[in-house]
Amino acid sequence: DADVTQTPRNRITKTGKRIMLECSQTKGHDRMYWYRQDPGLGLRLIYYSFDVKDINKGEISDGYSVSRQAQAKFSLSLESAIPNQTALYFCATSAPGLRARDTQYFGPGTRLTVL
Amino acid sequence: ILNVEQSPQSLHVQEGDSTNFTCSFPSSNFYALHWYRWETAKSPEALFVMTLNGDEKKKGRISATLNTKEGYSYLYIKGSQPEDSATYLCAPSYFNKFYFGSGTKLNVKP
Repeated sequence: DADVTQTPRNRITKTGKRIMLECSQTKGHDRMYWYRQDPGLGLRLIYYSFDVKDINKGEISDGYSVSRQAQAKFSLSLESAIPNQTALYFCATSAPGLRARDTQYFGPGTRLTVL
Repeated sequence: ILNVEQSPQSLHVQEGDSTNFTCSFPSSNFYALHWYRWETAKSPEALFVMTLNGDEKKKGRISATLNTKEGYSYLYIKGSQPEDSATYLCAPSYFNKFYFGSGTKLNVKP
């Protein structure tokens, strides 16, 4: 079984709809991240969480919100989806430490299309 | 927002060729540099993490070097194989934040 899972894997929705993307992990990592990837651009950080009580905005958090329900679960919500939020979304986890230096472990991605 | 540049954007080589690409990043407050390999329709996977100036890492035919003073890293692939075809992402980190480059897309023709 995959260590980092994302649901759904693909989603098509309409402008103005609320949508939630979910991420679960079995790696036991405290740190979790949400990224989006657009063609020609690198992965851009939306939100990150270093533990259940710690939530931080990334570089492109406008229009998004997150919830860290448990150590293993981190959800990303689009309160009112708009077409320019069409992208590939990745969840990732990491563990701090001198050796790993927060190496990221990625989920399979969710392809979201907003019409 | 921090500028991470990778060059070239894409590269087409023949099987057996050796190749290299570059990642440039701000050196101020640098913590670590990660390289990831991202195959089409899959998730990015970690290749290397480096922290010290002059670090060199190697995994099979792939190796990487790091210069933290001038803010760059090179990734080398010796004797490229078709299975090396992927996008290679670099990600420097600063104070617990990662900034990914847009990647170098490598296509190795048999």
